[in-house]
Amino acid sequence: GAVVSQHPSRVICKSGTSVKIECRSLDFQATTMFWYRQFPKQSLMLMATSNEGSKATYEQGVEKDKFLINHASLTLSTLTVTSAHPEDSSFYICSERTSGTDTQYFGPGTRLTVL
Amino acid sequence: GENVEQHPSTLSVQEGDSAVIKCTYSDSASNYFPWYKQELGKRPQLIIDIRSNVGEKKDQRIAVTLNKTAKHFSLHITETQPEDSAVYFCAVWTGGGNKLTFGTGTQLKVEL
Repeated sequence: GAVVSQHPSRVICKSGTSVKIECRSLDFQATTMFWYRQFPKQSLMLMATSNEGSKATYEQGVEKDKFLINHASLTLSTLTVTSAHPEDSSFYICSERTSGTDTQYFGPGTRLTVL
Repeated sequence: GENVEQHPSTLSVQEGDSAVIKCTYSDSASNYFPWYKQELGKRPQLIIDIRSNVGEKKDQRIAVTLNKTAKHFSLHITETQPEDSAVYFCAVWTGGGNKLTFGTGTQLKVEL
């Protein structure tokens, strides 16, 4: 399957700061990347879909001004959590999908802890 | 939007027994049904998938069956092993929504 990397794997930050998470497709060009959030012992919840060169599409209830997504190239998408608060502490996972296929491959995830 | 229900939420089996996890979905236009295995703190890994034009697919000890009429699909794991212990998620892709919707997950425990 496809190889997706994510950085950092873990981050601890103070309340009110911003955190950027990078998601890279290492072996092919991902036309679409998805960002998920997963709270402990819960399922994956889609936050937004990003297509290269266009604005991200956010799911209902996800604040686009708080969770900034940039998909500037076919191999890189970033998620910035702005003014993070303790309730934003979660496991953030990206996934990629190439045009014409259904299969999604996931990155290793980023564990965000906001103090 | 799509609604995916997954049962059971926890499943405990003896090593060597079979395990079955079932998911139901609501959108008849859904056309792709993957299953993911997630170990604690790790990424979901695709273990098997099926498309709407196929009723059953098998890969060694793992199989998936799809009933489009009833809108449900199931994961079957035979000859379970301790390393099968993990959380399993079903998912449904709806082309109209252009996204995967995940089930709530099943914690599978294989006991020696």
